[in-house]
Amino acid sequence: DAKTTQPPSMDCAEGRAANLPCNHSTISGNEYVYWYRQIHSQGPQYIIHGLKNNETNEMASLIITEDRKSSTLILPHATLRDTAVYYCIVRVREDTGGFKTIFGAGTRLFVKA
Amino acid sequence: DGGITQSPKYLFRKEGQNVTLSCEQNLNHDAMYWYRQDPGQGLRLIYYSQIVNDFQKGDIAEGYSVSREKKESFPLTVTSAQKNPTAFYLCASSPRTGRTGELFFGEGSRLTVL
Repeated sequence: DAKTTQPPSMDCAEGRAANLPCNHSTISGNEYVYWYRQIHSQGPQYIIHGLKNNETNEMASLIITEDRKSSTLILPHATLRDTAVYYCIVRVREDTGGFKTIFGAGTRLFVKA
Repeated sequence: DGGITQSPKYLFRKEGQNVTLSCEQNLNHDAMYWYRQDPGQGLRLIYYSQIVNDFQKGDIAEGYSVSREKKESFPLTVTSAQKNPTAFYLCASSPRTGRTGELFFGEGSRLTVL
């Protein structure tokens, strides 16, 4: 299974863009990159995912490098409520057709006023 | 509303007792997962099930057992063989097929063994 590497923590000023990096150098061609976030003592919340192309939704943008070995999650205008742990994960489609999801330790983002 | 319901939210048990955590979903998802989270740590996969009457061990299955008799339900039993069961347990589900494979999580069950 591909593994991901993220910095343990980051700070961001309120109103500024938060750029969270993730390395997934062993990712294979059929593996998607997913981002989730977890606010303290709650279940993780899906943010965005991608395979090759950059993606954008109402929450964030995902930039994936051309070689797919790294990606960056961008929160365009961070608010205090964006303070959370952000997980970058890859999901591997198994022979059975299902997915196995492995989480790493994530990045703890602190948004400061 | 559709979603995943975990119960109980908080649970206290004496050492040596088996405990069963409930997870129910009405999203019509085929796949269901159990994760364990310790303070300041990420999520670790305990068991997962892609279809009714079938499940696979995750990375830390020892001391745990599951069943998948119904599509909607995936209960987790923490047995007395689990050496350090105090943790936050999260259940998730996802469509088995399809491009997204997005995980939907419950609110979690916090187990404390006294």
